[in-house]
Formats: sequence, structure tokens, C-alpha cells
Amino acid sequence: EAQVTQNPRYLITVTGKKLTVTCSQNMNHEYMSWYRQDPGLGLRQIYYSMNVEVTDKGDVPEGYKVSRKEKRNFPLILESPSPNQTSLYFCASSRRQGANYGYTFGSGTRLTVV
Amino acid sequence: GQQLNQSPQSMFIQEGEDVSMNCTSSSIFNTWLWYKQDPGEGPVLLIALYKAGELTSNGRLTAQFGITRKDSFLNISASIPSDVGIYFCAGTPGNFGNEKLTFGTGTRLTIIP
Repeated sequence: EAQVTQNPRYLITVTGKKLTVTCSQNMNHEYMSWYRQDPGLGLRQIYYSMNVEVTDKGDVPEGYKVSRKEKRNFPLILESPSPNQTSLYFCASSRRQGANYGYTFGSGTRLTVV
Repeated sequence: GQQLNQSPQSMFIQEGEDVSMNCTSSSIFNTWLWYKQDPGEGPVLLIALYKAGELTSNGRLTAQFGITRKDSFLNISASIPSDVGIYFCAGTPGNFGNEKLTFGTGTRLTIIP
């Protein structure tokens, strides 16, 4: 089944403890992206990647890191999480721009930082 | 970052009614996408639009890419209970290759018994 897989689905952590949220897609998509969703603010892009080793900042990149060493994986790293990073996170992937462009989303990771 | 203005924010309708929602931008977009999100799940792509003026259907859903490239519309005909959820518009501004997919703030659809 074509899908984007995120892990974990739920995570509670303490301030300052480094964490990684994994994301993997099995559709051979070039583009991958991370979003956070907060009440009243909708979905905001954190980072995106157009291909292996090519990443760029989205609208809210502060406090996050990403890497794209393989085409299928795009982990999100929080080096020193803070409570304002409590949110619902989504990973997504897409083919390149053109007639087949359109992001497929994972099921989400609900992160709570205390 | 750029925001899309999506309206209405919420809708309360009766089963069987038609639904219309829209999204506007202050700048030109080259792609418009419409998503639906169910509680606890990620958004699911409903319709993708790639050309100004394009009208595309997916079952009871119809979406249009505005001719000015600054707006898009989604219509749902004869609503049913499973249509309940949050609908998001999204788009990529400017030229192809720009991957900053921007989302609207969503329209929450509720069906009144």
C-alpha cells in the first residue's frame, strides 16, 4: 500500500531532551515536507526537501532540523524541545511539480513537551 | 509566511444540502489543492488543479481554479454524513519548482441531524 509512515504517533517528552520523529514513504517521491498543525493556525510548513541532500526552510523552521540522506526517509529532529513545540506534526511526500503533484500525508505525530 | 484566506470558517448544514467554500490569495498561484481532514488523521487529497480556469470533479465534489489564478472554489453536492470534517485549500505560489505549499486555515463542515 502506498503510504507515508510516521513514528511515533504519540510522544510526551521533557524540555531539552533531544528527540527524532521518523518519516518514511514507499512511493519513490522526490518531494518531502514537514508540517505542524495548531488550533486556529492551520498547517504550517517547517522544512521541505526537493530531493536527496536538498532541503530548505519553510515558514516555521526555528527549533527544528531535518536531513534527507535517502530518498524514502525524512526525519524531523528537535535538538532541545520546548513547550511551544507541543503540536500535531505531519510528514508528507509528493511527486515533482507537474500533473501528478499533490502531497500525501502521514497519520500524524502528536507531541507534548512538558 | 503567506496565508490563504479560506471561507467560511465553519458551516452547519442539513444532509442533502449543497456546500460551497472558497480560497483567495493576494498573489498568483500555479497549483491549487483541496484536502479533507478527519479527526485524528492526516489530510487526504481530494482534488488537484493545475491550470487557470480548470474545472475538475471527483464524485460529488467539484473544484475550480480561478481564472485570475488568485482563487479557487470547492463545491460538494448532496452532502452526506461522511462529508463531515475540515476542508483545506492549499497552493504553490509563483513558478513551478517552488515547493512552499501553503495551506488555508480550513472550513469545518458539520451536518445537523
